[in-house]
Amino acid sequence: QKEVEQNSGPLSVPEGAIASLNCTYSDRGSQSFFWYRQYSGKSPELIMFIYSNGDKEDGRFTAQLNKASQYVSLLIRDSQPSDSATYLCAVNGGDTGNQFYFGTGTSLTVIP
Amino acid sequence: KAGVTQTPRYLIKTRGQQVTLSCSPISGHRSVSWYQQTPGQGLQFLFEYFSETQRNKGNFPGRFSGRQFSNSRSEMNVSTLELGDSALYLCASSLVQKNSPLHFGNGTRLTVT
Repeated sequence: QKEVEQNSGPLSVPEGAIASLNCTYSDRGSQSFFWYRQYSGKSPELIMFIYSNGDKEDGRFTAQLNKASQYVSLLIRDSQPSDSATYLCAVNGGDTGNQFYFGTGTSLTVIP
Repeated sequence: KAGVTQTPRYLIKTRGQQVTLSCSPISGHRSVSWYQQTPGQGLQFLFEYFSETQRNKGNFPGRFSGRQFSNSRSEMNVSTLELGDSALYLCASSLVQKNSPLHFGNGTRLTVT
């Protein structure tokens, strides 16, 4: 059983701070990793994806991947109240095609 | 470009009935996946279709089935509904290439009474 683990939180940070979200996965053969944001009552929306070890930056978001440690993280700089949501980590565990495994999500609250 | 479209948005059914959910992918996306989201279990993979063929399948009973049409549109069917089937059903489309991101529709909220 391929598993993705996240700290469910809730995580609270003040506005302007850095929020750090973490995720571990069990399948060492996984090749692609994704972060989704889900507002209450809405569907998940893609924030970032990362395939290679290291950091990938997109605006205020940075994804970090360490395949040796089977660890993925998402940093949100200059956190805004609009960032308050549940963040889902996902790993594509399909041998062919797409079969994504999702963590249960980390609830983030940014306090004005 | 239009996003993933799911219909209907809300459904209320009674135990024992069956239901069909519909999904139209983003134009050019030929892979369509279905997920079930519940508060207790989170997002769980149901199946993925590509070229009208089921390419991957999750650990759900045979009451859950799907199909894909030649225009990449997909339907999901749940027969003999149970109370535990109450959930948000999400359709996601992606490009054909493995490891392409999933793009989700707004979901269908199914309530079984």
